[in-house]
Amino acid sequence: NAGVTQTPKFQVLKTGQSMTLQCAQDMNHNSMYWYRQDPGMGLRLIYYSASEGTTDKGEVPNGYNVSRLNKREFSLRLESAAPSQTSVYFCASSPTLAGGGQETQYFGPGTRLLVL
Amino acid sequence: QQPVQSPQAVILREGEDAVINCSSSKALYSVHWYRQKHGEAPVFLMILLKGGEQKGHEKISASFNEKKQQSSLYLTASQLSYSGTYFCGTETTEQLTFGKGTKLSVIP
Repeated sequence: NAGVTQTPKFQVLKTGQSMTLQCAQDMNHNSMYWYRQDPGMGLRLIYYSASEGTTDKGEVPNGYNVSRLNKREFSLRLESAAPSQTSVYFCASSPTLAGGGQETQYFGPGTRLLVL
Repeated sequence: QQPVQSPQAVILREGEDAVINCSSSKALYSVHWYRQKHGEAPVFLMILLKGGEQKGHEKISASFNEKKQQSSLYLTASQLSYSGTYFCGTETTEQLTFGKGTKLSVIP
């Protein structure tokens, strides 16, 4: 099992460019998440998907869109990148959505994004 | 609302003990603890369910006081491999919210 995989690992964008971050999991999990991590800020939730076909906003959704393509894949799109979106992006998955207890999240290796 | 972790950073010598605290203003289902090494993804350590449970993993253990909505992570006889940033995640309805992290450095 590969667990949670993310592509690309690194990306440099110019302001205004668009890109899609890809995430896939092979653990048959229902729920998937996108976080961004900035120095001193911890992990902040951008969007999440409780199950295939549903997506919801997290704490910091502005400037992002997501697509739950199928049960395995959850992508994050930056339509017009801004320097404030320079960050490390982590995708995670869990068996079901948090709220019932015991829902461990498994993280991918991260994508390091620099917007110039 | 983001849980509050303390301290923000701590430096230990090998063999010393440390406690990392996590507190929330909301009623919690559980508290999760993760460790992240530099340049890597966070890795799950343990989960504490409401009920005052205490768990252990090697020489790392944790407790959860649901009345106070507080959890503490105990690292005993620290090893160099314990270095990293520790995050607590507090679980409420449909959300797992992470603290800002505690950076732990273990030196020889």
